[in-house]
Amino acid sequence: TQLLEQSPQFLSIQEGENLTVYCNSSSVFSSLQWYRQEPGEGPVLLVTVVTGGEVKKLKRLTFQFGDARKDSSLHITAAQPGDTGLYLCAGMNSGYSTLTFGKGTMLLVSP
Amino acid sequence: DTEVTQTPKHLVMGMTNKKSLKCEQHMGHRAMYWYKQKAKKPPELMFVYSYEKLSINESVPSRFSPECPNSSLLNLHLHALQPEDSALYLCASSQDGTGNSPLHFGNGTRLTVT
Repeated sequence: TQLLEQSPQFLSIQEGENLTVYCNSSSVFSSLQWYRQEPGEGPVLLVTVVTGGEVKKLKRLTFQFGDARKDSSLHITAAQPGDTGLYLCAGMNSGYSTLTFGKGTMLLVSP
Repeated sequence: DTEVTQTPKHLVMGMTNKKSLKCEQHMGHRAMYWYKQKAKKPPELMFVYSYEKLSINESVPSRFSPECPNSSLLNLHLHALQPEDSALYLCASSQDGTGNSPLHFGNGTRLTVT
């Protein structure tokens, strides 16, 4: 069984603050995806990282895949209320045919 | 708007009822999924259909019965559910069933079993 640990589980911050969410595992993943889920909606893909050490930027969001492809981080700069949601990391191992989801980080950004 | 459409958005059913959840996608994806999600928890995989064939059943109780009539449609038939089955049921699709292509989720059906 592969496990993805996300931290923190819950984060409440003020608008304008920076934050980092971590996704860690003892398993190696061939790729890792980050999703955001807003209340009343399904998860929406933010990014897929594939190469160890890869960094991808999506406006104020920066995603990094660890060199050993066992961990990833999501950094948000100058958070806005619209960033509020459940952030999920999901890893794919080439030996499996489905994604393993982390437990999620619930982010609340207050004005 | 999501490209994966789920109906109904909300469903309340008694433990003796039979109901069905429906999911549709027209992106040409060949893999479709059912997930169950409890509040503030990650989605839990229930079933995977790949090229219209059931490829994964994550030990789901038989009161949940999936059906894939064609490559664009996925149903979940419900019968004799329990209150603990109340949850958000998410449908997703991907280009193939290898897991390497990202999932496109619908907005889910909020199911309440009374």
